[in-house]
Amino acid sequence: EPEVTQTPSHQVTQMGQEVILRCVPISNHLYFYWYRQILGQKVEFLVSFYNNEISEKSEIFDDQFSVERPDGSNFTLKIRSTKLEDSAMYFCASTPGGSFYTFGSGTRLTVV
Amino acid sequence: QKEVEQNSGPLSVPEGAIASLNCTYSDRGSQSFFWYRQYSGKSPELIMSIYSNGDKEDGRFTAQLNKASQYVSLLIRDSQPSDSATYLCAVNPSGGSNYKLTFGKGTLLTVNP
Repeated sequence: EPEVTQTPSHQVTQMGQEVILRCVPISNHLYFYWYRQILGQKVEFLVSFYNNEISEKSEIFDDQFSVERPDGSNFTLKIRSTKLEDSAMYFCASTPGGSFYTFGSGTRLTVV
Repeated sequence: QKEVEQNSGPLSVPEGAIASLNCTYSDRGSQSFFWYRQYSGKSPELIMSIYSNGDKEDGRFTAQLNKASQYVSLLIRDSQPSDSATYLCAVNPSGGSNYKLTFGKGTLLTVNP
């Protein structure tokens, strides 16, 4: 069964450093997303991406965040200057259309 | 602010019993409703989707939707210990683009052998 692949599975970074979280969505999917889940809290929408551009972003997705699809397969989330409160599980998801997401296994980001 | 509310639990049921999980949502224009299962430390996994008022059954799972009451529920029949997980209600809110989901905080279900 096709999978959404996320790397790394766990990233530890110092406050103020830049991190890039990587995702390979399912190849025939058209819509891509990043969500995050702070420990013990709900899954929160960050950004959606369609047709090589951001289609919607949440209030959380401020100027410190950016997304790219640098080639035909990868989809990345960059956090420019990490804060302690960015510590969370980050999930990439994709769908061919409709909200039938396939989620990746997530990247646990720990900011120290 | 479009919200999805769930009782955080924990909900504890004996093996073989029916587990009933509930969810309310604030956006009356929402059209699509989903239940995800999330094991600790893992990603959400889609269990059921429902779009129309009434019941939808899939194996041991039944989703129920009442748009007038803005209420969605999930019934799990013959609960098994492997069903122990957090169940997330998710809604595709009206006005959002491209199938964005708003999640509830989830209900932790424990099935006791």
